[in-house]
Amino acid sequence: DAKTTQPTSMDCAEGRAANLPCNHSTISGNEYVYWYRQIHSQGPQYIIHGLKNNETNEMASLIITEDRKSSTLILPHATLRDTAVYYCIVRVASAGGTSYGKLTFGQGTILTVHP
Amino acid sequence: DTAVSQTPKYLVTQMGNDKSIKCEQNLGHDTMYWYKQDSKKFLKIMFSYNNKELIINETVPNRFSPKSPDKAHLNLHINSLELGDSAVYFCASSPRTGVTGELFFGEGSRLTVL
Repeated sequence: DAKTTQPTSMDCAEGRAANLPCNHSTISGNEYVYWYRQIHSQGPQYIIHGLKNNETNEMASLIITEDRKSSTLILPHATLRDTAVYYCIVRVASAGGTSYGKLTFGQGTILTVHP
Repeated sequence: DTAVSQTPKYLVTQMGNDKSIKCEQNLGHDTMYWYKQDSKKFLKIMFSYNNKELIINETVPNRFSPKSPDKAHLNLHINSLELGDSAVYFCASSPRTGVTGELFFGEGSRLTVL
């Protein structure tokens, strides 16, 4: 799976949009971009994933550049409860065999939402 | 109703002891996993089971033995506990079909070996 690079930490004011960048310049054509987050003392939580097109769900939006070498996770109206470590993960879509379900977590971005 | 539940949430024990962590999921998923998060907060897969069959074993010491009595349960037994086993252990599950990157994690079991 391709390696990702994320800033170590970011701050955001409550109510504002939080834009979390991720570089994945070695991504392959069959690799998806996944975002997870981990709130303190909880298990990781799936947020969103995408291949080429921008995606939106009830939690966030995912913007993937046309060359697919980077992406941005957008939390449109950050709240204090969005303070967490956000992980950007790149992996093949339907990895079978010994790669099934194998997510490689990096250090992620610590997002702090302040009042 | 908790989707992926682990017990116990906290476990403190002495070196050399044997302990187990249990995991249950009520999502109807076929695949379950154990991940380990160490003191540096890195999350790494240990095992995965698909419908009671082991499919991933990430060179974990054989003191760690997963057991899946049915597809809704995946337990982790650890023999002869060592100080380095102290970590948070997360159970997760995912559906077998479709895009396979969406995992549902439990709340974690914090193991402290003294």
